[in-house]
Amino acid sequence: AQTVTQSQPEMSVQEAETVTLSCTYDTSESDYYLFWYKQPPSRQMILVIRQEAYKQQNATENRFSVNFQKAAKSFSLKISDSQLGDAAMYFCAYRSGQGRGSTLGRLYFGRGTQLTVWP
Amino acid sequence: EAQVTQNPRYLITVTGKKLTVTCSQNMNHEYMSWYRQDPGLGLRQIYYSMNVEVTDKGDVPEGYKVSRKEKRNFPLILESPSPNQTSLYFCASSLSGQGWNYGYTFGSGTRLTVV
Repeated sequence: AQTVTQSQPEMSVQEAETVTLSCTYDTSESDYYLFWYKQPPSRQMILVIRQEAYKQQNATENRFSVNFQKAAKSFSLKISDSQLGDAAMYFCAYRSGQGRGSTLGRLYFGRGTQLTVWP
Repeated sequence: EAQVTQNPRYLITVTGKKLTVTCSQNMNHEYMSWYRQDPGLGLRQIYYSMNVEVTDKGDVPEGYKVSRKEKRNFPLILESPSPNQTSLYFCASSLSGQGWNYGYTFGSGTRLTVV
């Protein structure tokens, strides 16, 4: 089974500053997808950004961008100009593009990083 | 509005009393799945379904049952709940095949407490 590791259980950032959340994953596959989900106190799971492994260009969504290092199996999330509303638990997730059986379609999640934003 | 509807949002029950958490999606997604979220453990898959009448176990299926009689519905059944099933549960759905890259759409979660 694929393993997703988020090594930072907690992070904090000052409002308007930039913060980077780390994620590494373990896979032998070449075709896969990576995601960052945000879970605010409302506990809703919100897709923040996604990246296809075959694309070299890093994905960007407004203030959110990723640093995808395929060889290093690293997928970090950068939040620029942090806002109070960014405070949440952030989950990194992996999905195989060529899985079989029980791995097909499954999202594998890291354990999450709790982000605090200070005013 | 495209969504996954999960009910109830909160549930407190006693050990051994059968319960069902409902999940319905209106996006014609083939793939549906149940996860449980526990502090420090992230989200772990309980069961999944590739389509109608096709279901299989995830990582933590013990104590749970599912069914997929219709494409839109994927209920989670706890036949005899125990305190270790106290958790936050999520239903999710997804397109399959070419749609894998779009990730999941999640329900709002069900906070279950078994006393």
